[in-house]
Amino acid sequence: IAGITQAPTSQILAAGRRMTLRCTQDMRHNAMYWYRQDLGLGLRLIHYSNTAGTTGKGEVPDGYSVSRANTDDFPLTLASAVPSQTSVYFCASSEGTSGGRGEQFFGPGTRLTVL
Amino acid sequence: GQNIDQPTEMTATEGAIVQINCTYQTSGFNGLFWYQQHAGEAPTFLSYNVLDGLEEKGRFSSFLSRSKGYSYLLLKELQMKDSASYLCAPLDSNYQLIWGAGTKLIIKP
Repeated sequence: IAGITQAPTSQILAAGRRMTLRCTQDMRHNAMYWYRQDLGLGLRLIHYSNTAGTTGKGEVPDGYSVSRANTDDFPLTLASAVPSQTSVYFCASSEGTSGGRGEQFFGPGTRLTVL
Repeated sequence: GQNIDQPTEMTATEGAIVQINCTYQTSGFNGLFWYQQHAGEAPTFLSYNVLDGLEEKGRFSSFLSRSKGYSYLLLKELQMKDSASYLCAPLDSNYQLIWGAGTKLIIKP
C-alpha cells in the first residue's frame, strides 16, 4: 500500500441498505477525514478524526458514522442509505492538524449511487 | 459565516498565462491551500500560503493578501494537461479546510 486506499471504487446501493466505505492509509498520519463531493459544490466535510480513538462531526454528518480504532483505518458507515447520499466520497489524511501546513492527501474516491 | 468565491469556469490558450482568483471569509485563518483536481480524480496539493506575498513553484505561483481575504493562483506556459479544476481552500481557526466549489480551467490549443 502506498498512500491512501479506498474501497470499493464504486457501488450501486438500494435505499435503506447499510454500507461501509473503507479507507486505509500507510503514512502514519494522525488526522483523517471523510468528504463528499457533489457537482457544483465544494468538498464538504462529513466526519474527521484528529487522532486514533477520537472522531468529530463535520459540516454534513447526518446519516453517517465513523470509527477510528487505529491509526491506519477510518471507515465510513451509512446506516440506512438514502438517494441524497449519492455522491463521490473522498477519504483524506494529514500529518497533523495544529500548526504546520496540514496538507491533506486524498484517496482515489468511492462513487456511490443510492437508488 | 464562511464563504469562498471563485469563478466557476475559465478558458485559456495553450502556452498562455492564466490567473485564478479566490476571495474568502472564514472564522479565523491559518493559511490557504490550492489543490488541482482532474476530472474523475482526487484533489492533489499545489501550494500553501500562510504569509502575504507570492510563492513560486515552477510554472505555478500562488499569492495571498490576508487583509483583503484574497488569493490567486497563477499558471504560466499553460499545457493541455493543466485542464482541471482548481480548488481554493483556506484553513479556519479550527484547522479545518473550507473548500470552494473550484474553478474549471479549459485549455484550448
